[in-house]
Amino acid sequence: ETGVTQTPRHLVMGMTNKKSLKCEQHLGHNAMYWYKQSAKKPLELMFVYNFKEQTENNSVPSRFSPECPNSSHLFLHLHTLQPEDSALYLCASSPGQGSAYEQYFGPGTRLTVT
Amino acid sequence: ELKVEQNPLFLSMQEGKNYTIYCNYSTTSDRLYWYRQDPGKSLESLFVLLSNGAVKQEGRLMASLDTKARLSTLHITAAVHDLSATYFCAVDMDQAGTALIFGKGTTLSVSS
Repeated sequence: ETGVTQTPRHLVMGMTNKKSLKCEQHLGHNAMYWYKQSAKKPLELMFVYNFKEQTENNSVPSRFSPECPNSSHLFLHLHTLQPEDSALYLCASSPGQGSAYEQYFGPGTRLTVT
Repeated sequence: ELKVEQNPLFLSMQEGKNYTIYCNYSTTSDRLYWYRQDPGKSLESLFVLLSNGAVKQEGRLMASLDTKARLSTLHITAAVHDLSATYFCAVDMDQAGTALIFGKGTTLSVSS
């Protein structure tokens, strides 16, 4: 596969469940990002990783837990979510960290919390 | 706090006519990006504007950046149905360029 892939594409989970979102990039990039896209709101940056190290945590609640085992993979572990966490979660990657680098987005995971 | 405002948020366009959408931001930045998102799809990069006065064109779309006015415009020439989508502008968060702040998006709908 090429580009940035995300699995699953759709996820429905209860508030007591634990699930994980996966992102993989095949572009040889060093920086990876998690964004949340809610209806009628701007895209919100959640986490940034550069060379596997977390460099940004944008005041995200602890029920969201990121993991970056290597520069190609990024996970978002979810537990005890709230209905307001229902959104499209987008992963992106870029050659390096910083806005001089164009970000490439995955297709997203549509999450519904019931 | 950096704010990025797009207007209009919704634009109903007629085929063949020209339109402009605007992206204003609240602090100094030399880098601005335009993305397109089709319904249910991810974001696709359209333009990267890296300096004052930068102008880029692709097909019927032309983007420009005025860093002094803190304004970018996306001009649509002779709109066609294929341009129906949501367009986002994004600006770097700080001079260190840690990450991007996105506008709310402008949803374009082209009708004949």
